Amino acid sequence: DIVMTQSPDSLAVSLGERATINCKSSQSILYNSNHKNYLAWYQQKPGQPPKLLIYWASTRESGVPDRFSGSGSGTDFTLTISSLQAEDVAVYYCQQYFSTPTYTFGQGTKLEIK
Amino acid sequence: QVQLVESGGGVVQPGRSLRLSCTASGFTFSSHAMHWVRQAPGKGLEWVTVISYDGRNKNYADSVKGRSTISRDNSKNTLYLEMNSLRAEDTAVYYCARDGNYGKGAFDLWGQGTMVTVSS
Repeated sequence: DIVMTQSPDSLAVSLGERATINCKSSQSILYNSNHKNYLAWYQQKPGQPPKLLIYWASTRESGVPDRFSGSGSGTDFTLTISSLQAEDVAVYYCQQYFSTPTYTFGQGTKLEIK
Repeated sequence: QVQLVESGGGVVQPGRSLRLSCTASGFTFSSHAMHWVRQAPGKGLEWVTVISYDGRNKNYADSVKGRSTISRDNSKNTLYLEMNSLRAEDTAVYYCARDGNYGKGAFDLWGQGTMVTVSS
């Protein structure tokens, strides 16, 4: 199974500052034939279901603010929030779908305001 | 309105069975693979099972394999999860999620979840 490991487990950032969350897969999730990384990022606010933010490692879902961006390839990926807003307080998860029809999530990163 | 609504959760004794439902609206249900994902209290997300758009192909996480059955009725826009031999570790919020298919690959629509508590 592909194991997804996020870092850090928790993060406190000041309003307006940059937040960076990392995700590492135990094997490459880059599919060579289409050059796509099979990685998604989700945001989960307290008491709510997860919400898709990013897919194919760097494609922003419709309606997601452009302060959210995804980068990386192969085994190392990053979710960046360029200027933290109060409404961004949440737990963020990465997920691989390379090993379809089996899927794995990272353990989550809790983002708070400093 | 594009949405997924889960139902069927509750408190159940260990060893008993439960069937969860997820009703879809506002999109062509029969065009999408569908998933169940669970979240134990205070824990992260765990993918549970997937079913193809036509119901022909299914896959399960090892943690539920042999004890759970995913199914769908495209005429009713409804997804199901039958869980048997329930254990305390099955206690979780169960979410149904829509597969974005080949255009996205990720889970692009989630329900609000239904809570399952396994306890005597």
